Formats: sequence, structure tokens, C-alpha cells
Amino acid sequence: DVKVTQSSRYLVKRTGEKVFLECVQDMDHENMFWYRQDPGLGLRLIYFSYDVKMKEKGDIPEGYSVSREKKERFSLILESASTNQTSMYLCASTPGSSYNSPLHFGNGTRLTVT
Amino acid sequence: AQSVTQLGSHVSVSEGALVLLRCNYSSSVPPYLFWYVQYPNQGLQLLLKYTSAATLVKGINGFEAEFKKSETSFHLTKPSAHMSDAAEYFCAVSDRTGGSYIPTFGRGTSLIVHP
Repeated sequence: DVKVTQSSRYLVKRTGEKVFLECVQDMDHENMFWYRQDPGLGLRLIYFSYDVKMKEKGDIPEGYSVSREKKERFSLILESASTNQTSMYLCASTPGSSYNSPLHFGNGTRLTVT
Repeated sequence: AQSVTQLGSHVSVSEGALVLLRCNYSSSVPPYLFWYVQYPNQGLQLLLKYTSAATLVKGINGFEAEFKKSETSFHLTKPSAHMSDAAEYFCAVSDRTGGSYIPTFGRGTSLIVHP
């Protein structure tokens, strides 16, 4: 069974801090995604990656960057955290170019920026 | 471009009653459609998916959804609600737009089940 692991369930950071959210998947999936989930807004795509060292902007990339140095790991970086980045962050993965393959999600990281 | 509309941010039913969660999509090409469920403090997990093999799709926990092309709908139903069904439900669509697989999610519907 695919496992997507997000390193932290809860994080509290201060405004201006650099924040790293880590995600690891164990099924050799090519595609990895970072979503942000806010009440009433559903899931919004921040960045995705379809291969090592490759990245593409999603719908709301401003204030974020990503890193994918190894196939199994996809990191989300908040360069200078702000209070409007307080949210639930979800990582997901899926294999190759399979349009009917569902996303496999981690349990999420709830980030609070004070 | 594809989009998903989930009608109703909250749906409230009594235990044992029919559950109906609505999803309408727009896509310029034949879509792949998914329903996901999110229990409190967890990530999303797949309930069911439509991939053109059959218009009525059965999923886990007694849920099913029917693809209606003429109505561009993929509504989720369950004949009898259980307390454990209380969760957030998301409809998602993906297609080959631009040659990449990027799913689009609806805003979610919170299912409330009363005893």
C-alpha cells in the first residue's frame, strides 16, 4: 500500500521564519504535489513535480518554493512565513502519466504562523 | 480548462437517511472523475473513481456515484447514512489538458449525520 509521510502533523512558526515542510513517498511515484487546504476554499495546488529536479507552479505559488532532489522526497519551503500562510498543507503523489490514477495523500501538516 | 462545482458546503442528514452529495464538472475532453473523503485530522482517501468503464461506480463504505454525461454530473450517494460517514467529501476531475495530469478539486461538502 502506498504511503505518503509528512514529517510534522503540527507546526508553529513565527512571522519571517523560513519553514520547511517535508514529504516522502515509498512507491516510486513520478508525480508529487503540494496543496493548501482552507475552509470553504477546498484544495488549491501550490506546486507539483513530475520528475527529480523538475517543478511546475500551481495555482497559488506566491510565497512558496519547492525542492525535489530525490524521487521520493518533495519539500515545500516558505521563504519568509506570514500569517496568511497559516493553513493545512497536504502532500500527494501519483504514478507517471496515468490520468486515471488517484492521488495518494499524506495526513497533512497544520501550520500556524504567529 | 476543467472545473468542479460541489453544490452545498454542508449537507445534514439523519442516521439511516439517503445521502446525496452533488458534483458538476466542466471539461473539454472526456474526464476522469474521483470522489475523496477526509476524516477529521487526516489526509484525503479515495472513495471511488470513474474511468469510462461503467457509468455507475461503486466505492468503499457503501457509496456509489453515477456519471451522467448529458448533465455533466457525478453525484455521490449512499442509501443509508451512518454516523461514521460524517466527514468532508471532495469531488475531483482530471483530463489530458495540456498533456499533463493535474487534478482539479471542488471546494468540498461537509456531511453532518444526526442520530
